[in-house]
Amino acid sequence: AQSVTQPDIHITVSEGASLELRCNYSYGATPYLFWYVQSPGQGLQLLLKYFSGDTLVQGIKGFEAEFKRSQSSFNLRKPSVHWSDAAEYFCAVGAVTGFQKLVFGTGTRLLVSP
Amino acid sequence: DTAVSQTPKYLVTQMGNDKSIKCEQNLGHDTMYWYKQDSKKFLKIMFSYNNKELIINETVPNRFSPKSPDKAHLNLHINSLELGDSAVYFCASSQESSSPYEQYFGPGTRLTVT
Repeated sequence: AQSVTQPDIHITVSEGASLELRCNYSYGATPYLFWYVQSPGQGLQLLLKYFSGDTLVQGIKGFEAEFKRSQSSFNLRKPSVHWSDAAEYFCAVGAVTGFQKLVFGTGTRLLVSP
Repeated sequence: DTAVSQTPKYLVTQMGNDKSIKCEQNLGHDTMYWYKQDSKKFLKIMFSYNNKELIINETVPNRFSPKSPDKAHLNLHINSLELGDSAVYFCASSQESSSPYEQYFGPGTRLTVT
């Protein structure tokens, strides 16, 4: 069965520093991969997605992610974090099980220190 | 313009009651979903409807019954509420034919059962 692991429950980053959030997936075929962000009290917003092609994908708000098949990873990065980036980040894999559905990781909470 | 809206945003009720949560999307999407997010932020799909037909029905107690009166609406009715039903419930939608898995989420409904 498909699964997603986000090994870091919390990460604290200083404002202006770079960020990398880890995501590992388990899926037998070429995956569809996603990163979503959830601000406090809000719904989830799609940051970026990978379907095929270039393994480095750009998203909104200055985020990017790199798909590495050999490592089954899809890590999210941002070169300079802003205080407004503090939120919960979810990695997800698209799983075809008769019909498409998303399987989410457990999320990583990003805290931004001044 | 709100793309995916849910009502109510907060719902506090007693055990044993029956309640409904409504969801509407104005994106013209053909597929809608209900997710449950527990206190640890874990997000799990409950149901999915495509063109008003139920296509995903995860292991959910039959006290939960989704209803899709048309493609733009997906409501969730819960009978005999239990303490364990307390969670945030998210509605989402997608256009499966053109952008599979790319789901847009509503703001969530926080259900508290006392």
